[in-house]
Amino acid sequence: DIVMTQSPDSLSVSLGERATINCKSSQSVLSSSNNENYLAWYQQKPGQPPKLLIYWASTRESGVPDRFSGSGSGTDFTLTINSLQAEDVAVYYCQQYFITPPITFGPGTKVDIK
Amino acid sequence: EVQLVESGGGLIQPGGSLRLSCAASGFTVSSNYMSWVRQAPGKGLEWVSIIYTAGSTYYADSVKGRFTISRDTSKNTLYLQMNSLRAEDTAVYYCARVWGDAAKYFNYWGRGTLVTVSS
Repeated sequence: DIVMTQSPDSLSVSLGERATINCKSSQSVLSSSNNENYLAWYQQKPGQPPKLLIYWASTRESGVPDRFSGSGSGTDFTLTINSLQAEDVAVYYCQQYFITPPITFGPGTKVDIK
Repeated sequence: EVQLVESGGGLIQPGGSLRLSCAASGFTVSSNYMSWVRQAPGKGLEWVSIIYTAGSTYYADSVKGRFTISRDTSKNTLYLQMNSLRAEDTAVYYCARVWGDAAKYFNYWGRGTLVTVSS
């Protein structure tokens, strides 16, 4: 199974500043056949279900603000939130879909306002 | 508009059984890969099960042999039959639509139903 880890566990960021969340997979999730990274990011606000933000490591889901961006390849990935807004307070999860089953998630990173 | 509405959760004693339902609208359940994901109180997301369009089913090791995923085409509904429930199965259970075979990420989620296993 591919194990996903995230860092930090939590971070506090001032409004308008940048938040950076890291995700690491225990083996590469980059496909040699299509050169795609099988990695998604989700946002979960308190009391709500998760919401898809990014797939293929860097493709933003329709309707997601462009302050959210994903990067990375192979085993190391980053979710960046530029100019943090109050509504971005949430827990963020990465998920790999390269080798399934099982589908595996990272443990989550909690983002709040400093 | 795509909607997923879970039901069937509640308080159940250890060793008991429960069936969760996920009523879908705005798309056809049988034409999509569908999955269940759970979240224990204060914890992260854990994938539970998936059913492919062709009917193949897969489970997390933690539930294999105890849980069964299925669907009813006539009702456009996804199910999760949960048997031999344990305290560690306590969680909010979400049903989610999978984008597809080529990319098993979850593009739509229900609001979840809470299952509490306790005596």
